[in-house]
Amino acid sequence: DSGVTQTPKHLITATGQRVTLRCSPRSGDLSVYWYQQSLDQGLQFLIQYYNGEERAKGNILERFSAQQFPDLHSELNLSSLELGDSALYFCASSLGGAQTQYFGPGTRLLVL
Amino acid sequence: DAKTTQPPSMDCAEGRAANLPCNHSTISGNEYVYWYRQIHSQGPQYIIHGLKNNETNEMASLIITEDRKSSTLILPHATLRDTAVYYCIVRVAIQGAQKLVFGQGTRLTINP
Repeated sequence: DSGVTQTPKHLITATGQRVTLRCSPRSGDLSVYWYQQSLDQGLQFLIQYYNGEERAKGNILERFSAQQFPDLHSELNLSSLELGDSALYFCASSLGGAQTQYFGPGTRLLVL
Repeated sequence: DAKTTQPPSMDCAEGRAANLPCNHSTISGNEYVYWYRQIHSQGPQYIIHGLKNNETNEMASLIITEDRKSSTLILPHATLRDTAVYYCIVRVAIQGAQKLVFGQGTRLTINP
């Protein structure tokens, strides 16, 4: 158990819908990261937040957005969902912006 | 980001040492070598990391060559639970921003 929690574990929705994935970092960690893992793309970095501010951005689609709240939990919002958005979404956290990342158990999203 | 090259798959007998190689010939002086593993579709699990010295923890040992162009992860007494995909990653952290670039990894199978 890494100490990073993610909810929900599973999510099934339809194309065109919007969903929100939630992540709670390890106690004391200030930085949160989001990754997407699909069958054809492997694990891809999406975005990093540090103490509420965006710090690094990867291949995140414009339909996707994230934020980190004052209590340091983070949410990843996925809108106008497409079949290709079906994937595992992982959150990771680290103490600072450049320390070891610890991953949560993931949210499995299925878009029908 | 420095690229890593790993064999796609390896087998090891239970109880023996598993040695997983990784090439990172374009690594820069301030880039760390990180190892994670992913069991089935669980969240990636941190194993170990190093800059230029060999490192050991309760899970594994990391041997980095003197020129830093390659490294080897050693699981000293492999068990069936070590069957997983192992990722070697060269991590760059700039001003508190970092991302992990995952390759295809090595699928390690521990055989009874």
